[in-house]
Formats: sequence, structure tokens, C-alpha cells
Amino acid sequence: AQSVSQHNHHVILSEAASLELGCNYSYGGTVNLFWYVQYPGQHLQLLLKYFSGDPLVKGIKGFEAEFIKSKFSFNLRKPSVQWSDTAEYFCAVTGNTDKLIFGTGTRLQVFP
Amino acid sequence: DTAVSQTPKYLVTQMGNDKSIKCEQNLGHDTMYWYKQDSKKFLKIMFSYNNKELIINETVPNRFSPKSPDKAHLNLHINSLELGDSAVYFCASSHRGGTGYNEQFFGPGTRLTVL
Repeated sequence: AQSVSQHNHHVILSEAASLELGCNYSYGGTVNLFWYVQYPGQHLQLLLKYFSGDPLVKGIKGFEAEFIKSKFSFNLRKPSVQWSDTAEYFCAVTGNTDKLIFGTGTRLQVFP
Repeated sequence: DTAVSQTPKYLVTQMGNDKSIKCEQNLGHDTMYWYKQDSKKFLKIMFSYNNKELIINETVPNRFSPKSPDKAHLNLHINSLELGDSAVYFCASSHRGGTGYNEQFFGPGTRLTVL
């Protein structure tokens, strides 16, 4: 069965610090990978996605993620975070079905 | 020009009641979903409909019954509400393209509180 692990449950950073959130998945076949963000009190928004091609994916708001197939990973990065990046971040995967399997989420707090 | 909308946004009700949550999308998508987000923010799919047909039905109690009158709507009816049903319910939609999957767009969520 597919599963997604996000090892960082809560990350606290100061503004301008660099960010890397870990995401590992387990699935033997072809995967589609996603990072969603949920700002406080709001719905999920897609940050970026990987279907195929270049494993380094650029998303909105300066975020990027790298798909490393050999490590079953899809870590999210941002070189310099802002206070407005404070949110919950979810990694998700689909395989050969429409079912989005989410990780448990990482809560990011950025202090000015 | 809301893409995926849900009503109501908040729902507070007593145990044992029956309630419905409505979802509508104007994106022209053919697939719609219901997800449940618990108090620890964990998101789990409940149901998925493609062209009004049920295609995903996770292990969800019979008290939950989705209904899709047309491709643009997917409602969720819950009978005999229990305390454990308290959560945020998100509707989502997508278009099944040639790859068999496309990005899902989420609604604003409905926060259900059962007292």
C-alpha cells in the first residue's frame, strides 16, 4: 500500500533562514508527487507537483522540490523563508489511482 | 469565480442528528472527492466520484453517504452524527486526463463540530 512520511512535524525558523522539509513515500510503481500548503484557516493550495521529466520542480512563492527516485524522496526547499510562509505543509502521492495519499503534515512557523 | 465551493463553512450540531454538506465545482472537472481532516491535521480520502459514479470508497461508516446529482456536485450526507465525526471536511475536484490523473483543487472546507 502507498504511504507518505513527513519526518519534520514542527519546524521553527527565523525569517531569511533556508528551509528543507522531508518527504518519503513508499510505492513500487510510477508516482505523481505533490506539495500542498494550508495557511491558517484556509484550504489546501498546490505549491508544486511532479509527474515526469526534470526531477527538480519549481513551484509558486519560491518553493522547489527534488524527486530522488533512488531515495523515494521528494523534499521541499526554499532558500529564504518569510513570515508569510507560516503554514502547514503536506506532501502527497498518487500512484495508478486518483487517490491522493497525504503525509501527516509539517507545521512551519516563521518568526520575524 | 470560486472554483470549488462548499456549504456550509461551519456546522455545529448535536450527536444523533443527520446533516448534509454540499460541494460544487465550476471547473468543468469530471471527478470529485471528499476528504476528512482530523484534529491533528491528518487528511484522508473518503470518497471519489467520476462522472457521477463512485470510484473510491475508503473504509468509511455507512452513516456517510455521498451523492452526486451531476458532475459538478458532490454532496455528503451524514446520519446519526457521532462525536468522532467532528473534523474539517474538504471537497476537491480534478479532471481525469490521458495520464489518468491530474491535480486536485480543494474547496475551503466545512468545519463540523458534533456536541
